[in-house]
Amino acid sequence: DVKVTQSSRYLVKRTGEKVFLECVQDMDHENMFWYRQDPGLGLRLIYFSYDVKMKEKGDIPEGYSVSREKKERFSLILESASTNQTSMYLCASSFGRTNTGELFFGEGSRLTVL
Amino acid sequence: AQSVTQLGSHVSVSEGALVLLRCNYSSSVPPYLFWYVQYPNQGLQLLLKYTSAATLVKGINGFEAEFKKSETSFHLTKPSAHMSDAAEYFCAVRKSGGYNKLIFGAGTRLAVHP
Repeated sequence: DVKVTQSSRYLVKRTGEKVFLECVQDMDHENMFWYRQDPGLGLRLIYFSYDVKMKEKGDIPEGYSVSREKKERFSLILESASTNQTSMYLCASSFGRTNTGELFFGEGSRLTVL
Repeated sequence: AQSVTQLGSHVSVSEGALVLLRCNYSSSVPPYLFWYVQYPNQGLQLLLKYTSAATLVKGINGFEAEFKKSETSFHLTKPSAHMSDAAEYFCAVRKSGGYNKLIFGAGTRLAVHP
């Protein structure tokens, strides 16, 4: 069974803290994504990676960075968390550039910044 | 630029009634379109996808969607709602440039009452 695992389901952090959200997939997918989900806004792409050490900004990259040192792992980093980054964060993965198949999602990490 | 509009943030139906969730898209290239479902406290999973083959697409759990180019629509239907269909549904269009980057609509929350 395919699996995308996000390390933390719920996190509470304080303003200014550095936050790491980890995502691991076991399907040997080339592409990995970080989305942010907010009510009334749907999902918005923060960053994606199409290969190890390769990354591209999505639609809302400000305040975030990412790291992909191994093919199966994609990390989202909030260098200095702010209250407007309180949200649900979803990681997803898929096969390569031309594949039109589905994205496989993790269960999400709900982050609250106080 | 591509975009997706879902009409109706909340839809409520009776068990056994027709489910109709509306999605309109904007795309300057032939679109790849998707419907995803999110059950409470879970990630998203693919219901169905349109990739320029048949215009009527059948998905899991009895759902189907029809691609209508003239109306730029991709509405999701199910003939008879079940209590287990209560969830949030997202329509998405694949961004040009490959890598399976998706643009999601704002989502429609479906409630099913006895």
